[in-house]
Amino acid sequence: AQKITQTQPGMFVQEKEAVTLDCTYDTSDQSYGLFWYKQPSSGEMIFLIYQGSYDEQNATEGRYSLNFQKARKSANLVISASQLGDSAMYFCAMGETGGFKTIFGAGTRLFVKA
Amino acid sequence: AAGVIQSPRHLIKEKRETATLKCYPIPRHDTVYWYQQGPGQDPQFLISFYEKMQSDKGSIPDRFSAQQFSDYHSELNMSSLELGDSALYFCASSLGTTPGETQYFGPGTRLLVL
Repeated sequence: AQKITQTQPGMFVQEKEAVTLDCTYDTSDQSYGLFWYKQPSSGEMIFLIYQGSYDEQNATEGRYSLNFQKARKSANLVISASQLGDSAMYFCAMGETGGFKTIFGAGTRLFVKA
Repeated sequence: AAGVIQSPRHLIKEKRETATLKCYPIPRHDTVYWYQQGPGQDPQFLISFYEKMQSDKGSIPDRFSAQQFSDYHSELNMSSLELGDSALYFCASSLGTTPGETQYFGPGTRLLVL
């Protein structure tokens, strides 16, 4: 069965520093997609970044990058130059090729300190 | 750019009542997903529709039903509401179902059952 594990319930980072949020996954599928979403206190779910299982290069989107290590089944999110507005809950998620179900990890709450 | 629209944004119901949540996907998106997020929980997949047909089913109670209409909007019908149904209900949409097709989430409907 598919599973997403986020082992950090909460993380603190100083403003302007980089932070890595961990995500490991378990699947028997060969083709899948990995996503990160941000959920601020207002509740909306904001898509940040996507990595396909066959992508050889790590995905990047502005200050977000995904450190994809397929053999270790990890897909860590790196946020560079943290900003106060980055304080939120961050969810790692996985979907299968041709499938419709996406499963989420338990989330990591990030606190950015001024 | 147009985003996923959900209505209502907030809903208060009493036990045993019914509720209908509506979702309007991003234009041209053919796949709709419903998620339930309890307080402090990660989103749980309920059900999805592709081209107006149910495509996958998750942990959706039998008291709930959903459908996707010819204009691709979707409705989640909830009957015999229970206190435990209080949650944030997200609708997401995507174009197709490959892992490259990101699910974009609506703002959510916050349901409170008293």
